[in-house]
Amino acid sequence: DAGITQSPRYKITETGRQVTLMCHQTWSHSYMFWYRQDLGHGLRLIYYSAAADITDKGEVPDGYVVSRSKTENFPLTLESATRSQTSVYFCASSVRTGGREQFFGPGTRLTVL
Amino acid sequence: AQRVTQPEKLLSVFKGAPVELKCNYSYSGSPELFWYVQYSRQRLQLLLRHISRESIKGFTADLNKGETSFHLKKPFAQEEDSAMYYCALYQNSGNTPLVFGKGTRLSVIA
Repeated sequence: DAGITQSPRYKITETGRQVTLMCHQTWSHSYMFWYRQDLGHGLRLIYYSAAADITDKGEVPDGYVVSRSKTENFPLTLESATRSQTSVYFCASSVRTGGREQFFGPGTRLTVL
Repeated sequence: AQRVTQPEKLLSVFKGAPVELKCNYSYSGSPELFWYVQYSRQRLQLLLRHISRESIKGFTADLNKGETSFHLKKPFAQEEDSAMYYCALYQNSGNTPLVFGKGTRLSVIA
């Protein structure tokens, strides 16, 4: 599924730094999502977007910012990284069915020291 | 609140044995349920959806509204089935369209 990519794949940063994770999809899917995956918590939704310039908070949005100026891109920014944000981050996209069937990116493993 | 419960974090079975990954949900409306799978070093992908009533890679899942369950079953486990499995519930309101369970890691022992 090369249609959805994430960069970087691995990132190490320090507490307090700003970090941006990139997500790009080539399918022109309307919906895009950001999840974090943690042991014991499974997948939790951070933010999602139904279309360009439309974003909504998910279950765990605090400490994160998103934007969607173009349909194909959905960057996730950690404004001031904390150790609790060490996680694997997944981007996903979905067609008009409102997010029922989602296609996932390969993930970004972020470590905050 | 809508919730998906996968009671087992880890399930180990021998090759050729039957597999059942449990999923229970709570939802006030008409549920739409899915199973997603993540194989080692691969991305998360949709395995099957209850609406299709399909069998994928030998796996089936039946929605039981009376027991509010959507268990994933396979009669004979294969080593390549070893993976992380997530049950997910679609909701058309609230702050997350797909509510995922915490996942069950299936380990098939040769």
